[in-house]
Amino acid sequence: QVQLVESGGGLVEPGGSLRLSCAASRFAFSDYYMNWIRQAPGKGLEWVAYIGKSGSPIKYADSVEGRFTISRDNAKNSLYLQMNSLRAEDTAMYYCARDAGWLQWSDWGQGILVTVSS
Amino acid sequence: QSALAQPASVSGSPGQSITISCTGTSNDIGRYNYVSWYQQYPGKAPKLMIYDVSNRPSGVSNRFSGSKSGNTASLTISGLQAEDEADYYCSSYTKSVKGVFGGGTKLTVL
Repeated sequence: QVQLVESGGGLVEPGGSLRLSCAASRFAFSDYYMNWIRQAPGKGLEWVAYIGKSGSPIKYADSVEGRFTISRDNAKNSLYLQMNSLRAEDTAMYYCARDAGWLQWSDWGQGILVTVSS
Repeated sequence: QSALAQPASVSGSPGQSITISCTGTSNDIGRYNYVSWYQQYPGKAPKLMIYDVSNRPSGVSNRFSGSKSGNTASLTISGLQAEDEADYYCSSYTKSVKGVFGGGTKLTVL
């Protein structure tokens, strides 16, 4: 079945940067919109960004607009999230999710933890 | 985009039915038939349970059903089982074409 594996998380200081990756397999990656969704510790789900099949369109949540950049490499079946100017409130589990259409997410990775702290 | 409104918690006894509501606006739930529901166990990734308001993905029990009226969507779980105890989140397509979730509902099976 569909496999999504996130990597690149860890501890970073406020103001720092981190790049998350999501390796996709067992489906035609280039045929799907892809999303990043996060969950702060003990909190609910928050949609972060999506990217279209060929790299556009792209949309961001207001909370990350201008600081985060979503991208993809269809040749490598990979999704990315470049996170700059990180804040304590960006601390969360970040999930890569396949869009089944109309911002409904049929498959999720296991998540990767990002901690922003000094 | 404001979050959709869900009750913080619901509970029910085994065998009973429960319903979780999800209230939005005319810019999301009221406008589109693209409401989805997710089940999440502690420490695990969410799982899609309902899409397009009332459709179940393959493998999801038919004890789970979804509906919508106006700006409010609902998830009903019938024949409640201990394994249904989890957090449930709703989501809807929005006029701004951005994702939005409900705050989540913790289901306790008594």
